[in-house]
Amino acid sequence: GQQVMQIPQYQHVQEGEDFTTYCNSSTTLSNIQWYKQRPGGHPVFLIQLVKSGEVKKQKRLTFQFGEAKKNSSLHITATQTTDVGTYFCAGPGYSSASKIIFGSGTRLSIRP
Amino acid sequence: GAVVSQHPSWVICKSGTSVKIECRSLDFQATTMFWYRQFPKQSLMLMATSNEGSKATYEQGVEKDKFLINHASLTLSTLTVTSAHPEDSSFYICSFSGSTYEQYFGPGTRLTVT
Repeated sequence: GQQVMQIPQYQHVQEGEDFTTYCNSSTTLSNIQWYKQRPGGHPVFLIQLVKSGEVKKQKRLTFQFGEAKKNSSLHITATQTTDVGTYFCAGPGYSSASKIIFGSGTRLSIRP
Repeated sequence: GAVVSQHPSWVICKSGTSVKIECRSLDFQATTMFWYRQFPKQSLMLMATSNEGSKATYEQGVEKDKFLINHASLTLSTLTVTSAHPEDSSFYICSFSGSTYEQYFGPGTRLTVT
């Protein structure tokens, strides 16, 4: 079945260091979404990428969609303690565009 | 983004009892809602798609008779966990789709079955 995997599973960084999580889909995606879930909270939509090779930025966050539309990455520059949480990529299911399949997630923790 | 509420935020029940979780969209109407389950330190697993005025569509491996979904209106969907068992203890989250299928999640309900 359709799978969306993320690496690494966990990342522990010193505050101020950069962080990157990678997302790989077993199928080509029409779009990729990214979500952030704080500890004890619910996922919050961050961004959606649609075009092949697309790059979008939100302050210190840079999102990229691969040329083949099967992979994506999220890079955080100079992490802050507020960046702590689990980052999920997600893509539409092949059976229905409205069904979103979530990646395995990358949990980011930060040493102040 | 859309505002979604869920009630209760947490619940503890005894094994064998049923629990109903409500999910409401507060500022828009949606014909489709989604129910997810999340075990500790794991990803979100889609359980079912709730369609207003019709039967829910369940994902493979999810028992429809155990997880009853009712989508009575464009702003309310309910999930009832029937005859709950300890293995049903989890974080249950509902979501609505935005115009480009982005998901707006409720705050979630933490269910503990003793």
